[in-house]
Amino acid sequence: DAKTTQPNSMESNEEEPVHLPCNHSTISGTDYIHWYRQLPSQGPEYVIHGLTSNVNNRMASLAIAEDRKSSTLILHRATLRDAAVYYCILRHISGNTPLVFGKGTRLSVIA
Amino acid sequence: GAVVSQHPSWVICKSGTSVKIECRSLDFQATTMFWYRQFPKQSLMLMATSNEGSKATYEQGVEKDKFLINHASLTLSTLTVTSAHPEDSSFYICSAEIDQRAFEQYFGPGTRLTVT
Repeated sequence: DAKTTQPNSMESNEEEPVHLPCNHSTISGTDYIHWYRQLPSQGPEYVIHGLTSNVNNRMASLAIAEDRKSSTLILHRATLRDAAVYYCILRHISGNTPLVFGKGTRLSVIA
Repeated sequence: GAVVSQHPSWVICKSGTSVKIECRSLDFQATTMFWYRQFPKQSLMLMATSNEGSKATYEQGVEKDKFLINHASLTLSTLTVTSAHPEDSSFYICSAEIDQRAFEQYFGPGTRLTVT
């Protein structure tokens, strides 16, 4: 799987938007961009995924660069419950393969 | 969304004993489940891929005779840590998918193993 690069940590104030960047310059045309997050002492949970177009769901938005070499996860209004480690993961379109986790970004939300 | 459970949620065992961790998909069938291990302050490390009705595929460096995986049904995979040692103390997490085309993997809540 192609590698992703994320900042080790980020901080946000509560109720403000958060932009979590991810670089994946070696992404292939058959890789989906997935985001998962892990709250303290819990298993990871799915956040969002995309291929080329920007995506929105109830949890977040995913903005994908035109060349697909980077993407940004957007939390529109951070809450204290969004404090977690966020992982950006590339996964082949064929699926049924394990997710390979990098170090992720630890997001702290300040009240 | 689909639910994956793990049992137990935490366990303490003595060095040299074996511990079995169960991973169940509660409302869907999973032909493939994955087992991860996570040490404090670190990311998840894939241990093995568990396929229903066949032998698990282990990642390089993971001892298959020490970490026994059994996937006897479409809703249950088990990980047995044999002859546990303190260095096996970790957070063990499983995940599952509904089918090969699914984009979302569902993770269990994790099992914290402490070997004394």
